[in-house]
Amino acid sequence: DTEVTQTPKHLVMGMTNKKSLKCEQHMGHRAMYWYKQKAKKPPELMFVYSYEKLSINESVPSRFSPECPNSSLLNLHLHALQPEDSALYLCASSRGVPGEGLETQYFGPGTRLLVL
Amino acid sequence: GNSVTQMEGPVTLSEEAFLTINCTYTATGYPSLFWYVQYPGEGLQLLLKATKADDKGSNKGFEATYRKETTSFHLEKGSVQVSDSAVYFCALSSYNNNDMRFGAGTRLTVKP
Repeated sequence: DTEVTQTPKHLVMGMTNKKSLKCEQHMGHRAMYWYKQKAKKPPELMFVYSYEKLSINESVPSRFSPECPNSSLLNLHLHALQPEDSALYLCASSRGVPGEGLETQYFGPGTRLLVL
Repeated sequence: GNSVTQMEGPVTLSEEAFLTINCTYTATGYPSLFWYVQYPGEGLQLLLKATKADDKGSNKGFEATYRKETTSFHLEKGSVQVSDSAVYFCALSSYNNNDMRFGAGTRLTVKP
């Protein structure tokens, strides 16, 4: 089983709202990732958690706040977003962590976010 | 740094036509190479992968061979179906890299 689940599937929020995206995997993977994908573009890495600790932040604005409550869960908290933040947000996981080997990343279906 | 160059799309083919999507890479060391597919409105699905030179990845009739001498990992399928219509991403990951590098993506449309 290589399933990564994400909720919600769709989200519409105003610029003053606070919302959260959720990602879950039960494969025992030790790394989890958040990506942002704009239309007709490849995914862009935002954050990496290795062993439940934030290991990479790709200079993402502070209005995006990741959280890893346990080894199976990854959240992305959203606050005061801008319309240009509208995109597909993808979560991924891998058995190994960056820097320790060549690992396949498995992606969830994504949350399509619209900021009004 | 590591990078992936993928042929520009979109690509439009008739059903049962032969498909090639070119992918070349630049990397230090010995990367693993991947093809991911993204169907409309969905996330990325791993299609196939190869972890060392001369390895051939295959899945659902798609194949790609890791060619170190030409730094390529071209995707091929002998007979495409309408259901293969999607965006295909070539990607690489290397031992010391912090992330997966994606190509720009190639949109494939297969017409009946």
